[in-house]
Amino acid sequence: QKEVEQDPGPLSVPEGAIVSLNCTYSNSAFQYFMWYRQYSRKGPELLMYTYSSGNKEDGRFTAQVDKSSKYISLFIRDSQPSDSATYLCAMSANTGNQFYFGTGTSLTVIP
Amino acid sequence: GAVVSQHPSWVICKSGTSVKIECRSLDFQATTMFWYRQFPKQSLMLMATSNEGSKATYEQGVEKDKFLINHASLTLSTLTVTSAHPEDSSFYICSVKGRSSYNEQFFGPGTRLTVL
Repeated sequence: QKEVEQDPGPLSVPEGAIVSLNCTYSNSAFQYFMWYRQYSRKGPELLMYTYSSGNKEDGRFTAQVDKSSKYISLFIRDSQPSDSATYLCAMSANTGNQFYFGTGTSLTVIP
Repeated sequence: GAVVSQHPSWVICKSGTSVKIECRSLDFQATTMFWYRQFPKQSLMLMATSNEGSKATYEQGVEKDKFLINHASLTLSTLTVTSAHPEDSSFYICSVKGRSSYNEQFFGPGTRLTVL
């Protein structure tokens, strides 16, 4: 079983839609949860960073962590064509520990 | 967040030659630098972790004599792919982490290596 599971998609939505991206994990020691956005042929860009359970909102983006279910989500409201990218979840147990990445979900927002 | 650059952004080389990739942290003291490789439509695979002034720690299955990593300062790390072969063709990405209590990594733009 992989440490982190993420549906690779591809996911295609119309502009303005709400997008839900998800990851599940198996290691209960994970405490730090990140979402990265990666455009084609570019390095990942940190979008959201969450410690432990709960919600975090930043503009159109909301990250949710449910440690009891070992499930994290990223919601994008009012999606824009510029949101078209691959979204990677990542997590780690402690500071300085290895990051475990999901395989990424490819998102296309159609104008 | 930190601004991270990589050079070159892409390189094509002949089989058997060595290629050096630089990772620079432009405005951030990177006490730890990570090197990843990424194949098309796949996630990031950690190759090695290096702390400034120390030898790199390689992940299982990564040949340390083939992928030489040097972390000479708080702003520079290099990855040298020695005697490159076509199967080494990949997207190589570095990331940096500082001393803060937050567990964040900031990624470079990546280097695309093609070995003919």
